[in-house]
Amino acid sequence: KQEVTQIPAALSVPEGENLVLNCSFTDSAIYNLQWFRQDPGKGLTSLLLIQSSQREQTSGRLNASLDKSSGRSTLYIAASQPGDSATYLCAVKITGGSEKLVFGKGTKLTVNP
Amino acid sequence: NAGVMQNPRHLVRRRGQEARLRCSPMKGHSHVYWYRQLPEEGLKFMVYLQKENIIDESGMPKERFSAEFPKEGPSILRIQQVVRGDSAAYFCASSPDANYGYTFGSGTRLTVV
Repeated sequence: KQEVTQIPAALSVPEGENLVLNCSFTDSAIYNLQWFRQDPGKGLTSLLLIQSSQREQTSGRLNASLDKSSGRSTLYIAASQPGDSATYLCAVKITGGSEKLVFGKGTKLTVNP
Repeated sequence: NAGVMQNPRHLVRRRGQEARLRCSPMKGHSHVYWYRQLPEEGLKFMVYLQKENIIDESGMPKERFSAEFPKEGPSILRIQQVVRGDSAAYFCASSPDANYGYTFGSGTRLTVV
């Protein structure tokens, strides 16, 4: 059974700091991995999608890496801003005919001005 | 493109009533997924549908819950005889096919009183 773990559960940093969020998964048989952002009381916004054959994806100040063999992904946020404050969710799409995503519980990020 | 549209945004039901949650996928998306987010829990897969077909309902409770995605109109998640434990945020997502990531709606927050 696929399990996704995100560490840390919460993180508080000063504005301008570079930071890394971690995601690990137990079964390397994944189709892709997706990072989302969720603001309080809101839906999920897709940030980056990494296919299983890829090693990383970049969008603006965000960079996500994937090491499928070790079951790890990281989300790197450069020059953090207060507007980056949100919960960041990692999800893997498992193989084997199902298209469901398995989510971690998220990392709650607070960027202090 | 209006994105994934869910309504209502908030729904209050008394115990024993029925709840009907609607989801209109993005234009061109034929895959619809429903997820539930309980307080302090991660998102959990419920059901995956394509037009007129339930593909995977392995995450659906066996009783009181049903889902459909008719040929015309939105996907509906129906909860009969709601109980307090059904209180949660219900999210719908869509994708054009398995190679793409998901786009999520803003969710319906169900409160059972």
